[in-house]
Amino acid sequence: AQTVTQSQPEMSVQEAETVTLSCTYDTSESDYYLFWYKQPPSRQMILVIRQEAYKQQNATENRFSVNFQKAAKSFSLKISDSQLGDAAMYFCAFMPSDSNYQLIWGAGTKLIIKP
Amino acid sequence: SAVISQKPSRDICQRGTSLTIQCQVDSQVTMMFWYRQQPGQSLTLIATANQGSEATYESGFVIDKFPISRPNLTFSTLTVSNMSPEDSSIYLCSSSQGGNTEAFFGQGTRLTVV
Repeated sequence: AQTVTQSQPEMSVQEAETVTLSCTYDTSESDYYLFWYKQPPSRQMILVIRQEAYKQQNATENRFSVNFQKAAKSFSLKISDSQLGDAAMYFCAFMPSDSNYQLIWGAGTKLIIKP
Repeated sequence: SAVISQKPSRDICQRGTSLTIQCQVDSQVTMMFWYRQQPGQSLTLIATANQGSEATYESGFVIDKFPISRPNLTFSTLTVSNMSPEDSSIYLCSSSQGGNTEAFFGQGTRLTVV
């Protein structure tokens, strides 16, 4: 079975500092996509960043970047210059390319930003 | 990108009654997904809804309890039937468009059954 593991239920970081959220996954697929989604208290799920497994280059979106290690099946999210608005639940998700867009979700990491 | 309007945003219901949650997408989408989420926890997929066919339910979820309609490519409903306090949760709808792997979400419905 394909699984996604987020081993950090909660993380905290000082405002303006950098934090890394970890995610590992288990699959025998070679073609897939990986995502980080953010869910603030408003409940609106927002895509933070996406990585295609066939791309060796790590995805970057402004202050958000990933460290994608395909052989190790690891997909961590780095948030630089943390801001109060980054406080949210962060979910790692996996999607095989032939899954009809069905996502497999991690348990989530609650990120707390200390002012 | 797609925008999904989900209604109602919250409701308090009596046990034994039913609630229908609606999701309207501003563009045509292939697949729609319905999730349940306990506060502070991950998403659990209830079912996948494809237009023109019966919804596909995940293990532990049945059509009699969670009937789904998908009458066209922009709209879907999920009904929570014969509710009990155990049905109290957040319900989310989501969609994806062909060729775009990004999933879009409604704002969620917080359901409390008393």
